[in-house]
Amino acid sequence: KNEVEQSPQNLTAQEGEFITINCSYSVGISALHWLQQHPGGGIVSLFMLSSGKKKHGRLIATINIQEKHSSLHITASHPRDSAVYICAALDRRGADGLTFGKGTHLIIQP
Amino acid sequence: GAGVSQSPRYKVAKRGQDVALRCDPISGHVSLFWYQQALGQGPEFLTYFQNEAQLDKSGLPSDRFFAERPEGSVSTLKIQRTQQEDSAVYLCASSRYGQQETQYFGPGTRLLVL
Repeated sequence: KNEVEQSPQNLTAQEGEFITINCSYSVGISALHWLQQHPGGGIVSLFMLSSGKKKHGRLIATINIQEKHSSLHITASHPRDSAVYICAALDRRGADGLTFGKGTHLIIQP
Repeated sequence: GAGVSQSPRYKVAKRGQDVALRCDPISGHVSLFWYQQALGQGPEFLTYFQNEAQLDKSGLPSDRFFAERPEGSVSTLKIQRTQQEDSAVYLCASSRYGQQETQYFGPGTRLLVL
């Protein structure tokens, strides 16, 4: 079964800073998801990617298949970006569902 | 519907009680997923349906956990003889078709077993 590790576990930054959250996984995957979870539990899917890079507004997600590593970047961070960011990997066989990291708790201070 | 809904939002059960958690996926979504999220942890996969077929139940932690989706839309996760370690948020998600599509999550059911 895939093992998904995220770093850092906690990150506090000032408004406007460039944020990077890292995710590594142990076995080959067919897709990797980045999710955002706000206090109270609601989870929103940000990206699903299997290669290269995707951008949506101030959010950018990249993946390096050879290195089994993905990053989520937030440019010009804002207090409303404060949330838990979770990466989740789907293995190539699609079996066992998504394997989730433990999440990165991000706080952006004004 | 507009999004994935789950009910109840909160459930307190006494140890040994049976509970049933409901998920209404987005209308027309073929795939439905159940996850368990313990406090401070990431979600963990429980089971996956495609229409009414349960394609993967490898994540169900014990035979006390049972899920069904008899008509391929609404799903129910049932936990029999609840234990304290079952306390968690139970998340449901749906996608148009399959695991390689964006999953849309419900708000979750927070279960507390006393």
